[in-house]
Amino acid sequence: DAGVTQSPTHLIKTRGQHVTLRCSPISGHKSVSWYQQVLGQGPQFIFQYYEKEERGRGNFPDRFSARQFPNYSSELNVNALLLGDSALYLCASSPVGTYNEQFFGPGTRLTVL
Amino acid sequence: QKEVEQNSGPLSVPEGAIASLNCTYSDRGSQSFFWYRQYSGKSPELIMFIYSNGDKEDGRFTAQLNKASQYVSLLIRDSQPSDSATYLCAVFNAGGTSYGKLTFGQGTILTVHP
Repeated sequence: DAGVTQSPTHLIKTRGQHVTLRCSPISGHKSVSWYQQVLGQGPQFIFQYYEKEERGRGNFPDRFSARQFPNYSSELNVNALLLGDSALYLCASSPVGTYNEQFFGPGTRLTVL
Repeated sequence: QKEVEQNSGPLSVPEGAIASLNCTYSDRGSQSFFWYRQYSGKSPELIMFIYSNGDKEDGRFTAQLNKASQYVSLLIRDSQPSDSATYLCAVFNAGGTSYGKLTFGQGTILTVHP
């Protein structure tokens, strides 16, 4: 079975631009979460979507938004990029009715110049 | 106080030794606990999860949970150079049935030297 997929792999943007990151969960998984990992730190929770509805949001500004589609894939949007948004953005999917294991995709490396 | 704290590293052990990684958490309502391994430049890979007090073994890995002490640990027996990575402790807090967020520690860098 295919794992979580994310696109693009790498992205370079300049300050003030916006970016859209994409994620496809493992087949059968209905929950998708987004995390930001800055170099040298653990991942920080941004959003969780389950059955196309936002179920949780971390301590991130309104410049960050996301949505989940009927096929359970998801997009993360970041507007008005700042240098501090440079990070590895991770998508994780989890099955329903388990102990909430979350499986991560390969991530998108975003560099803001 | 950080929500999830891991023992400061880096941790260096010789090949064949036992590596011990520790983690404490602040939220007593936390329900399940995860250990991820992350190689440099890669995404986190789930190694083990545990949700009830005691030990859980999987091959060379043993996770230990003590909810009263709010403490989770991971033991790696017969450590191999390929175990060299950053180990992330994560705690799950439910926002409802079947969903919630993982809160991660800062990670402990493990180096296994031949």
